[in-house]
Amino acid sequence: GENVEQHPSTLSVQEGDSAVIKCTYSDSASNYFPWYKQELGKGPQLIIDIRSNVGEKKDQRIAVTLNKTAKHFSLHITETQPEDSAVYFCAASNSGGYQKVTFGTGTKLQVIP
Amino acid sequence: EAGVVQSPRYKIIEKKQPVAFWCNPISGHNTLYWYLQNLGQGPELLIRYENEEAVDDSQLPKDRFSAERLKGVDSTLKIQPAELGDSAVYLCASSFGSQGEQYFGPGTRLTVT
Repeated sequence: GENVEQHPSTLSVQEGDSAVIKCTYSDSASNYFPWYKQELGKGPQLIIDIRSNVGEKKDQRIAVTLNKTAKHFSLHITETQPEDSAVYFCAASNSGGYQKVTFGTGTKLQVIP
Repeated sequence: EAGVVQSPRYKIIEKKQPVAFWCNPISGHNTLYWYLQNLGQGPELLIRYENEEAVDDSQLPKDRFSAERLKGVDSTLKIQPAELGDSAVYLCASSFGSQGEQYFGPGTRLTVT
């Protein structure tokens, strides 16, 4: 089955700085890579996703890059704000959609005001 | 629009006791998921329903776990008997169709003593 590794496990940045979270996956058939944000006491919420036919996708301060050859993908958050503080999960799916998603172990991001 | 509703939010039970979790998905969402989230880990799929049919229950420990979605709307996940290792957050999610974005509920935090 798919195995997704994520690092770092914790990340502290100053407000306004950038944050980068990296993930690797094992199944070369994986073709869909969502990122989720989970705030304390809440369920994960989809923030951005990328499919294997695209190398980069951007949505305001958030961007995701994908390197299929190396089987790794990354989340980039620019101009971080205190409300970005949360746990972020990467995930991978080989079904082309949301059906069966394998999650990484999470990164706890702390943005220091 | 109301999100995914789960109850109870917290449950503390002694080992060997039974416990049940309830989930009400977003109106119109025919696909429902139950996930297990251990502390410091990403969610792991337990079971997926398409309407009232369980289409993927390969990760559900069937010796003690059971689930039902009798009318294709609300769902119940049961553990009997509970073990210490079952302490975790149980998340419910729903989507419009199996390819739709998954919306997560806040989860039920189970503590087995």
